[in-house]
Amino acid sequence: DQQVKQNSPSLSVQEGRISILNCDYTNSMFDYFLWYKKYPAEGPTFLISISSIKDKNEDGRFTVFLNKSAKHLSLHIVPSQPGDSAVYFCAASGGNTPLVFGKGTRLSVIA
Amino acid sequence: KAGVTQTPRYLIKTRGQQVTLSCSPISGHRSVSWYQQTPGQGLQFLFEYFSETQRNKGNFPGRFSGRQFSNSRSEMNVSTLELGDSALYLCASSLGHLNDYGYTFGSGTRLTVV
Repeated sequence: DQQVKQNSPSLSVQEGRISILNCDYTNSMFDYFLWYKKYPAEGPTFLISISSIKDKNEDGRFTVFLNKSAKHLSLHIVPSQPGDSAVYFCAASGGNTPLVFGKGTRLSVIA
Repeated sequence: KAGVTQTPRYLIKTRGQQVTLSCSPISGHRSVSWYQQTPGQGLQFLFEYFSETQRNKGNFPGRFSGRQFSNSRSEMNVSTLELGDSALYLCASSLGHLNDYGYTFGSGTRLTVV
């Protein structure tokens, strides 16, 4: 049973445009959500997080939106840059549970 | 400050052997978690240790085990290796269970079972 789902395995976006990565979750106990970025041969690096008491968190070009009623979150990258090309993982946690990750979305930003 | 260090970076083993992977967390971090990443499966949780105690365990067979030492360094062991154990094994550390910065991951150990 996959508790965190990233239904798009890949996404291609033109440089300068907006990238929108989506994530759905099923466990209503999750109250903390994170996005990680991963380059080949490296570990995931933390990008941005949001707790369930908020519906939006912004950090520079990155914004995460949370829709609790729909159990959906999204990561917006504006403007997209070629260096943003990587695999993006959505992760969720609730209480003392470990982070549960989605399968990732490979973003390609085309110059 | 130094990040999370995992050794070795690459490993090739044959079926039936056993392997031990090592993880040194960021100084001051007391929580260490292990994840397995395989193509198409994302990151699957293995176990989490905090102050030498296993706090959580994922849905993996008993061939997968781990421990944490008093200096917070952690090791994981896989016995009787199978071809399907080939994966990138990632270690992550944090100050407690989860802080505002989530986990900090190491670069991983790429295990190939032949």
